Amino acid sequence: QKEVEQNSGPLSVPEGAIASLNCTYSDRVSQSFFWYRQYSGKSPELIMSIYSNGDKEDGRFTAQLNKASQYVSLLIRDSQPSDSATYLCAPANQGGKLIFGQGTELSVKP
Amino acid sequence: SAVISQKPSRDICQRGTSLTIQCQVDSQVTMMFWYRQQPGQSLTLIATANQGSEATYESGFVIDKFPISRPNLTFSTLTVSNMSPEDSSIYLCSVEVDREIRAFFGQGTRLTVV
Repeated sequence: QKEVEQNSGPLSVPEGAIASLNCTYSDRVSQSFFWYRQYSGKSPELIMSIYSNGDKEDGRFTAQLNKASQYVSLLIRDSQPSDSATYLCAPANQGGKLIFGQGTELSVKP
Repeated sequence: SAVISQKPSRDICQRGTSLTIQCQVDSQVTMMFWYRQQPGQSLTLIATANQGSEATYESGFVIDKFPISRPNLTFSTLTVSNMSPEDSSIYLCSVEVDREIRAFFGQGTRLTVV
């Protein structure tokens, strides 16, 4: 089992729809979780962090965390073509290091 | 936040040679990391660059292949030694500002070994 698994892409949604990106992790002691966005040919940029069970909202982005299920997700409301990118889930392991998932490629069609 | 300057941005190198990548941060940071992103893959941590001591390498990475320097709190280098085509990747420098704001990345170095 991989340490971090994300739903396989590419994920295609129409403009204005909700994009749902999922991530499961194997390290039960992980306490911090991060979502990064990576445009093609660019380096990753941090878009969301979440530490407690439940939802955290920031603009059009909502991160959801369920530690009991070892599951974290990212919802993007009112998806825009500019959201088209690869989204990387990264829990922090017990040593505090970020372990990256393989990424989910999102394509938002106008 | 932190502004990270990484250079070179890209290079094409002959097999058997070495390349040193530089990472400069505009403020002092405690933690600096080096990642590798192979084509079509996610990020893999190579090592943590420790100021004043030897770097801490992850499983599968060794100092002889990837020597790292960290002479102060704003600068680090990664050398890719005795390169082969399998080393063709993007190499990324990352810093941690604090535990709440994680991992700002430099723009990366795209390395092609021929």
